[in-house]
Amino acid sequence: DGGITQSPKYLFRKEGQNVTLSCEQNLNHDAMYWYRQDPGQGLRLIYYSQIVNDFQKGDIAEGYSVSREKKESFPLTVTSAQKNPTAFYLCASSITSGVRYEQYFGPGTRLTVT
Amino acid sequence: QKEVEQDPGPLSVPEGAIVSLNCTYSNSAFQYFMWYRQYSRKGPELLMYTYSSGNKEDGRFTAQVDKSSKYISLFIRDSQPSDSATYLCAMSVGRTGTASKLTFGTGTRLQVTL
Repeated sequence: DGGITQSPKYLFRKEGQNVTLSCEQNLNHDAMYWYRQDPGQGLRLIYYSQIVNDFQKGDIAEGYSVSREKKESFPLTVTSAQKNPTAFYLCASSITSGVRYEQYFGPGTRLTVT
Repeated sequence: QKEVEQDPGPLSVPEGAIVSLNCTYSNSAFQYFMWYRQYSRKGPELLMYTYSSGNKEDGRFTAQVDKSSKYISLFIRDSQPSDSATYLCAMSVGRTGTASKLTFGTGTRLQVTL
């Protein structure tokens, strides 16, 4: 089955530690995205990548970093510089050709930093 | 003012009721409109996808777009307890060959009671 996997489902870290969230897709999509979801705030775009070895900042990139070394993978690192890292993180992917603009989402990772 | 406005609810209806969920937006360049359903602690799943103004029906779900009023709706007929979820509207200007940046509403939480 094609889809997006995110691991782990739940992640706990101490304040001051960097943590990397995994996202893998086998949909052969060129574009991948990272969102953060907080109660009452909807989805906020952190970073996105249109193609391998290229990525762009979204609306709330401060305190986060990404890499895109393979088409299938787009890991997100939450650094100690992120002031409020506790949130639900969602990875998504989409095509970049044709006229379809929907994104497909993974199951999410809930990060708790104490 | 947010680019996309969506009533957060919660909206509580009895089983079998017709549900109407709505979003308004301010950017007249949006052409592609989506509704996602998100169950608690899960990733959003695409429910409906429409282009420009008009109606689209899929089973118990009907998506309606009125570009002149900058207003989109999702109707759910014969609502079931399994429809209890948060519904997110999303919109895109649509530029082929690039990453499909979406603007999301904050989501409406729906509860269908027995």
